[in-house]
Amino acid sequence: KQEVTQIPAALSVPEGENLVLNCSFTDSAIYNLQWFRQDPGKGLTSLLLIQSSQREQTSGRLNASLDKSSGRSTLYIAASQPGDSATYLCAVIHGSSNTGKLIFGQGTTLQVKP
Amino acid sequence: GAGVSQSPRYKVAKRGQDVALRCDPISGHVSLFWYQQALGQGPEFLTYFQNEAQLDKSGLPSDRFFAERPEGSVSTLKIQRTQQEDSAVYLCASSLAPLAEKLFFGSGTQLSVL
Repeated sequence: KQEVTQIPAALSVPEGENLVLNCSFTDSAIYNLQWFRQDPGKGLTSLLLIQSSQREQTSGRLNASLDKSSGRSTLYIAASQPGDSATYLCAVIHGSSNTGKLIFGQGTTLQVKP
Repeated sequence: GAGVSQSPRYKVAKRGQDVALRCDPISGHVSLFWYQQALGQGPEFLTYFQNEAQLDKSGLPSDRFFAERPEGSVSTLKIQRTQQEDSAVYLCASSLAPLAEKLFFGSGTQLSVL
C-alpha cells in the first residue's frame, strides 16, 4: 500500500530564509507527484507537478525535486516571505497510469515570521 | 462561476442525522472528485465521476456514504446516520478533461457531528 509521509509536521522560520520541505513515499511506482498549498479554510492550490520521468520542476521561488528510486521529493522555497505561510501537501498518483486518485501526505505547516 | 463552489460552508449535525453536501464544479468540467480531510491530516480520496458516471467509489468508507452527479454537473455527497468519526472537511475538485492533472479545488464543507 502506498503511503506518503511529510516531515516536519510544522516549521517556523524568519523571513528571508531558504527552506526545504520533505516528502517520502513507500512505493516508487508512481505516475506523478504534486505539491499543493492549502491556506486556512481554503481549498488546495497546485504549485508544482513532476512526472515520474522528471527530476525537478521550478516555478518562481519554488523548486521541487523527485528521486523515485529513494522514494523522496523535496520542495525548496527560496527567500521565504510571510505570504508563504500555509500548509504544504505533497501527493502522488500510485501506479503506471493516471487514475486521477491522489494519495496525500499529512502536510507541513509553515510559518514565516516577519 | 469562477471556481468550484461548495455548500454549505459549515454543517453541524447530531449523531444519526443524514446530511447532504453540494459541489458546483467549474462549468464544463468533466471530472469531479470528492476527498475527505480529517483535522491535521491530508485529504483522502472518496470517489470520482466522469460526467454523470461514477467510475471509482473505492474510497467511500462505508455504505452510509453515497455520491451522485445525475446530470454531469452538480454533485451531492450524502452521508446517512452520521457518526462522530465522519467529522471532517469534505473537499470537491474538478478538472476540464477526464483525469486531467490540473485540478481545481473548492474551499470545502466542514462537517461537525456532535
